[in-house]
Amino acid sequence: SQTIHQWPATLVQPVGSPLSLECTVEGTSNPNLYWYRQAAGRGLQLLFYSVGIGQISSEVPQNLSASRPQDRQFILSSKKLLLSDSGFYLCAWSVLVSGSKQFFGPGTRLTVL
Amino acid sequence: AQSVSQHNHHVILSEAASLELGCNYSYGGTVNLFWYVQYPGQHLQLLLKYFSGDPLVKGIKGFEAEFIKSKFSFNLRKPSVQWSDTAEYFCAVSGGATNKLIFGTGTLLAVQP
Repeated sequence: SQTIHQWPATLVQPVGSPLSLECTVEGTSNPNLYWYRQAAGRGLQLLFYSVGIGQISSEVPQNLSASRPQDRQFILSSKKLLLSDSGFYLCAWSVLVSGSKQFFGPGTRLTVL
Repeated sequence: AQSVSQHNHHVILSEAASLELGCNYSYGGTVNLFWYVQYPGQHLQLLLKYFSGDPLVKGIKGFEAEFIKSKFSFNLRKPSVQWSDTAEYFCAVSGGATNKLIFGTGTLLAVQP
């Protein structure tokens, strides 16, 4: 069966520090991968998606970046965090079929102080 | 531009009351529509989805949603809510090969026993 892992579960970082959040998927090959952010009162916002290794599309300009070094690994990074980066970050995957449902990971709660 | 609007941000109901959560979307082309639910402390999970065919879609736990193309709406309904339905509900739309989801801002439902 397919599983999706995210870590860390919670993270408290000072403003200006770097960030690396990792997401891995097991039990499937060549998935579409997605990073979302859930900010208070703003619902879920798509940040990045990837249809293959090294292929990243950015939905929202910001100081975050994403990378996909392996087929089932998706990393969200920042060189310098801002206060506004606080939120709940969710990774998701789907099969490469339009309209397929997405499966979400447990999420990472990031607090930037 | 693609967008999803959920008009009810916070809904409080008593058990056995009927529920209807509004969702309107703006999307050019063929759409796939989803309702996701996030119970307290749990992952986002799919409640129901519409791809084509019968516009009245039935999901898990007695939920249903009706796709009304002329109104660009996909409202979620349940005839009699239970305390265990307390959760945050997200409407989402996807389309195209990348299968990226555009979410609404979510509706927090609190059901009082």
